[in-house]
Amino acid sequence: QQPVQSPQAVILREGEDAVINCSSSKALYSVHWYRQKHGEAPVFLMILLKGGEQKGHDKISASFNEKKQQSSLYLTASQLSYSGTYFCGTEIYSGAGSYQLTFGKGTKLSVIP
Amino acid sequence: ETGVTQTPRHLVMGMTNKKSLKCEQHLGHNAMYWYKQSAKKPLELMFVYNFKEQTENNSVPSRFSPECPNSSHLFLHLHTLQPEDSALYLCASSPDGVAGYTFGSGTRLTVV
Repeated sequence: QQPVQSPQAVILREGEDAVINCSSSKALYSVHWYRQKHGEAPVFLMILLKGGEQKGHDKISASFNEKKQQSSLYLTASQLSYSGTYFCGTEIYSGAGSYQLTFGKGTKLSVIP
Repeated sequence: ETGVTQTPRHLVMGMTNKKSLKCEQHLGHNAMYWYKQSAKKPLELMFVYNFKEQTENNSVPSRFSPECPNSSHLFLHLHTLQPEDSALYLCASSPDGVAGYTFGSGTRLTVV
């Protein structure tokens, strides 16, 4: 069952902040965040493990609330290069040493000058 | 270049054709995946291979047949596809354990 992402789309002016949310109805092992620019491969941003944690690098950070099975991606002081579609992926252990990563529908972020 | 190479980048095939997509990684990763990305749909997991063994098949029609001869190479064999199979097919790999995936640039498939 795929995670639910919100919002579906957001437009920001350079320097503004945004939050993208991801929620799941299943008990999660981890949450991944990726960004995909048009015509390119999705690029891994960060992974958050169960136990609840917060991570970040530069002006992009994320949190994972294990009790609520929710994760949020925070983009602060947005730059033009942040434009793209952001996907959360929720990972569950599917047995036999295998993990299954299921993606949400994505949030299209457009940063304008 | 992400470290995961997919060929061809674009493919047009008729419904009666047989073709194969190729994925190659030299990152030392033990797990490889096929995902399908259609317009306005989420990335759909198709197959998972761990140490060359298929561990997941997400109810994918038999007209898609994966092959993993070693931990560096993954193929997706296609036959008698339907127009609704037109999509971007992405290959990804990951190390052992919980870690981020590295995606290839994908093969844009059009079935006519």
